[in-house]
Amino acid sequence: GENVEQHPSTLSVQEGDSAVIKCTYSDSASNYFPWYKQELGKRPQLIIDIRSNVGEKKDQRIAVTLNKTAKHFSLHITETQPEDSAVYFCAASISGYSTLTFGKGTMLLVSP
Amino acid sequence: SAVISQKPSRDICQRGTSLTIQCQVDSQVTMMFWYRQQPGQSLTLIATANQGSEATYESGFVIDKFPISRPNLTFSTLTVSNMSPEDSSIYLCSVDKRSGTYEQYFGPGTRLTVT
Repeated sequence: GENVEQHPSTLSVQEGDSAVIKCTYSDSASNYFPWYKQELGKRPQLIIDIRSNVGEKKDQRIAVTLNKTAKHFSLHITETQPEDSAVYFCAASISGYSTLTFGKGTMLLVSP
Repeated sequence: SAVISQKPSRDICQRGTSLTIQCQVDSQVTMMFWYRQQPGQSLTLIATANQGSEATYESGFVIDKFPISRPNLTFSTLTVSNMSPEDSSIYLCSVDKRSGTYEQYFGPGTRLTVT
């Protein structure tokens, strides 16, 4: 089955800096890669996703890149704000299935 | 995104008892999923529930321990049976709101504590 590795496990940045979280996946059949943000005590929220037919996707301050050859994808947050502090999870879905395999999560702390 | 609700939001239960968690969606969805999130951990898929068929369980999860119902396209239940303290966790349902997109949206979760 699919295996998703996520790094780093924790990330501390100053407000205004950029943050990058990286994930690798094992199954080359995976073709859908979402990112979720989970604030303390809240449900995971889908913030951005990318499919295997594109290499990059942006939505305001967040972007995701995908390298299918290397089987890794990354989340980029620019101009970080304290409200970006949360746990971020990457996930992967194998082609033809709807089930998601999640990484272990990255706790992002943005200090003012 | 879908409006997804879960009941109860939290519960404290005695070991050996069972708890049924409900998940309600505001529109019809094909796929519903049940996850477990242990404290400080990631999300682990328990099973996929399709209406009109038996749930599909992931490795390490069995129907006797986590029976699931899916009576219609807007509702599902997960029962945690014969509970032990190791079952203390947050249980979340999610739905594939737009069939075929793989986009999953989560319910608010049920925080279960087993004493």
